Amino acid sequence: TQLLEQSPQFLSIQEGENLTVYCNSSSVFSSLQWYRQEPGEGPVLLVTVVTGGEVKKLKRLTFQFGDARKDSSLHITAAQPGDTGLYLCAGPPPGSWGKLQFGAGTQVVVTP
Amino acid sequence: NAGVMQNPRHLVRRRGQEARLRCSPMKGHSHVYWYRQLPEEGLKFMVYLQKENIIDESGMPKERFSAEFPKEGPSILRIQQVVRGDSAAYFCASSPSSDTQYFGPGTRLTVL
Repeated sequence: TQLLEQSPQFLSIQEGENLTVYCNSSSVFSSLQWYRQEPGEGPVLLVTVVTGGEVKKLKRLTFQFGDARKDSSLHITAAQPGDTGLYLCAGPPPGSWGKLQFGAGTQVVVTP
Repeated sequence: NAGVMQNPRHLVRRRGQEARLRCSPMKGHSHVYWYRQLPEEGLKFMVYLQKENIIDESGMPKERFSAEFPKEGPSILRIQQVVRGDSAAYFCASSPSSDTQYFGPGTRLTVL
């Protein structure tokens, strides 16, 4: 069973549209990280959220950490083809430190 | 500041051979993590090391797999007597302490 559930698994949209990706858990996380991974490459860190209710913006990307620190979302405004990739959320499992538990990811495809 | 380096990027081995994967962390990072990404699966934690110490190896298979991070030189993930099921992408990540992790480009291992 996945500690972090991501939805949807796959998302295909047209350039200029908005999208939201979700990362949910029944457990409380001390922090969550979002990565984007492209084929043949390693995950690239986008953001780390640590405070319940926190909102972080990175250009057209908005990240939110739930008040209870059990869920997070990533919203992309006016998506561009360069946003195409596998979006992964990850966090240290409760009671552990160091290692990261990853969600299965959301594959986003943005077509021109 | 160079990122996390991994080599080789691609490695082909025949069943029964040994595979050695190398990881040089980012400058100033003394924490190294190894993850495995099997085809159509998410990233799974394998092992967490600090210089000369294994901190957490709860994700390592009990047999044939070992990891080290010597005082000098890169971290090494060693797989002895490889089998076809070992074919995967192996990622190394590093961090300055046990928090945000930065990933390398990975080594793609193919076992024939």
